[in-house]
Amino acid sequence: DIQMTQSPSTLSASVGDRVTITCRASQSISSWLAWYQQKPGKTPKLLIYKASTLETGVPSRFSGSESGTEFTLTISSLQPDDFATYYCQQYRTYPWTFGQGTKVEIK
Amino acid sequence: EVHLVESGGGLVQPGGSLRLSCTASGFTFSSCVMSWVRQAPGKGLEWVSDISSSAGNTHYADSVKGRFTISRDNSKNTLYLQMNSLRAEDTALYYCANHKLPHNVFDMWGQGTMVTVSS
Repeated sequence: DIQMTQSPSTLSASVGDRVTITCRASQSISSWLAWYQQKPGKTPKLLIYKASTLETGVPSRFSGSESGTEFTLTISSLQPDDFATYYCQQYRTYPWTFGQGTKVEIK
Repeated sequence: EVHLVESGGGLVQPGGSLRLSCTASGFTFSSCVMSWVRQAPGKGLEWVSDISSSAGNTHYADSVKGRFTISRDNSKNTLYLQMNSLRAEDTALYYCANHKLPHNVFDMWGQGTMVTVSS
């Protein structure tokens, strides 16, 4: 199975901060990576797929990038609505696997 | 409006069985690949199983292979997950989710149904 490792596990930031979350795949997944946002008690929300394609309706402050097997989710200016847990997911090979999550907390 | 509504969860003893259902509305269910994804309390997301639009192809996570069976009835716009030989580690909130084809990512999620395996 392809292992997805996110860092950090928890991130403390302030409104207006630039935030970066990293996801590393244990082997090549090309660009077959998605990012989700999940708020407490809510269902996950698709933010980005194919590493950098923004889902319809997602604010442009979210962006994704890749370098080899390392993928990055960036929030350019953190907003109050962005405090949540973020997950990456690879869909290169079965079984589809998620990272363990990164919780973005208020500093 | 697009909706996915799961049902069938509950408390079951180890070794027991449950069948989850997910009823879809507001979109062409019969054209969609569907998955079950679970989340143990306080933990992350784990993909469980998916099924092609025609039900001709199914895939499972190793953790459930041989114990769980995914199926669908396109005439009823309903997805199922038959869960047998349940274990404590199967305790989780089970979501059904639609694939955003051609990508195997999940753009629509139900609210989930809770399965608790405990004696």
